[in-house]
Amino acid sequence: QVQLTESGPGLVHPSETLSLTCTVSGFSLTGYSVYWVRQPSGKGLEWMGRMRYNGDTSYNSALKSRLSISRDTSKNQVFLKMNSLQTDDTGTYYCTATMGIRNYWGQGVMVTVSS
Amino acid sequence: DIVMTQSPSSLAVSAGETVTINCKSSQSLLYSGNQKNYLAWYQQKPGQSPKLLIYWASTRQSGVPDRFIGSGSGTDFTLTISSVQAEDLAIYYCQQYYDTPYTFGAGTKLELK
Repeated sequence: QVQLTESGPGLVHPSETLSLTCTVSGFSLTGYSVYWVRQPSGKGLEWMGRMRYNGDTSYNSALKSRLSISRDTSKNQVFLKMNSLQTDDTGTYYCTATMGIRNYWGQGVMVTVSS
Repeated sequence: DIVMTQSPSSLAVSAGETVTINCKSSQSLLYSGNQKNYLAWYQQKPGQSPKLLIYWASTRQSGVPDRFIGSGSGTDFTLTISSVQAEDLAIYYCQQYYDTPYTFGAGTKLELK
């Protein structure tokens, strides 16, 4: 069955770079797009970016200068890297995918930005 | 970027009531090529990942109770929940997927009166 699992460090220091991995199973990254969505603590959902099935990427305009999304299709993994982290980047980071009429989300990974 | 404006930000309801949540986009989400509105509604309960309820503005995801009704077209959309149940208490988000970035509304928190 389809699964998405986010992983990464729970704590990042201010000004450092966040690196997260979304490991997928049950589908191919060359067939479907994967998205990153985050939720600052106590706030709403923010669409961060997309790794399209063909390898193209799209980013949230507000994050574009700090954000990079890549993938390793052989490992079924999509990566998120965001630099210059600040305290307001604290929150839960999700990866999600849609296959036809089915929509899947990971359980999310909590990231705290603190010194 | 397309801006999604959701209202109200919170709603206090009693079980059995009907509620309406509004979502307005800064540009039309109706694609003329297929006459579909690229608008989805999600439900998020505390401590859980969001769950897709409705896509194409009015198509319920499999397994979603028929008390959840999506409507609207172009720039104005509505999620109606008829006969609210205790299990419906959550935050609801609209999202456009017409053009990247696929922006979300700010959310509507449904609370018990």
